[in-house]
Amino acid sequence: NAGVMQNPRHLVRRRGQEARLRCSPVKGHSHVYWYRQLPEEGLKFMVYLQKENIIDESGMPKERFSAEFPKEGPSILRIQQVVRGDSAAYFCASSPSQPNTGELFFGEGSRLTVL
Amino acid sequence: QQQVKQSPQSLIVQKGGISIINCAYENTAFDYFPWYQQFPGKGPALLIAIRPDVSEKKEGRFTISFNKSAKQFSLHIMDSQPGDSATYFCAASLTNDMRFGAGTRLTVKP
Repeated sequence: NAGVMQNPRHLVRRRGQEARLRCSPVKGHSHVYWYRQLPEEGLKFMVYLQKENIIDESGMPKERFSAEFPKEGPSILRIQQVVRGDSAAYFCASSPSQPNTGELFFGEGSRLTVL
Repeated sequence: QQQVKQSPQSLIVQKGGISIINCAYENTAFDYFPWYQQFPGKGPALLIAIRPDVSEKKEGRFTISFNKSAKQFSLHIMDSQPGDSATYFCAASLTNDMRFGAGTRLTVKP
């Protein structure tokens, strides 16, 4: 399966713990995006990364959230000291080039539940 | 900051009917307008897309109508089927950005 792979698919954390979500883009894609989806709501842009660079993180909270896309390995979205309001589905997408040139390929999401 | 407004929030259509979902955008620099379809528990998948140099694009039962002067675009699903029941997102993109509407939950009744 050459699609976007996200793991874990489901993650339960207690308040104050750390959540680490991983995304392996489609092979050959160098552009990765993270979106957050709350129940019954749309997709909220969080961050856009290229290999080793953050291009746009305007949608990501300044505190507790960070993202990286290293030269080797998956992209990581890290949420420190989680709170109940962080409970959501987090989707990763990838593309071979800039977002206005074609399709974003989405993974099936990681569903975070904070107790 | 909502750059793409989508309506309606939910839509119920009878089988065989026409489903229409509307979107409006603010930034005239957007130059790519896709629609994504999402089934429960799955990630969104591209359905159809259009660029602002054309006013309409049709793929099978799905048509995008684009009005550049009004900064609006819409998705029409002809002969709607129960299998079309899903959440539909419009989006608008430019070089470093793709922003999504809030989504429309479509239910097609048999």
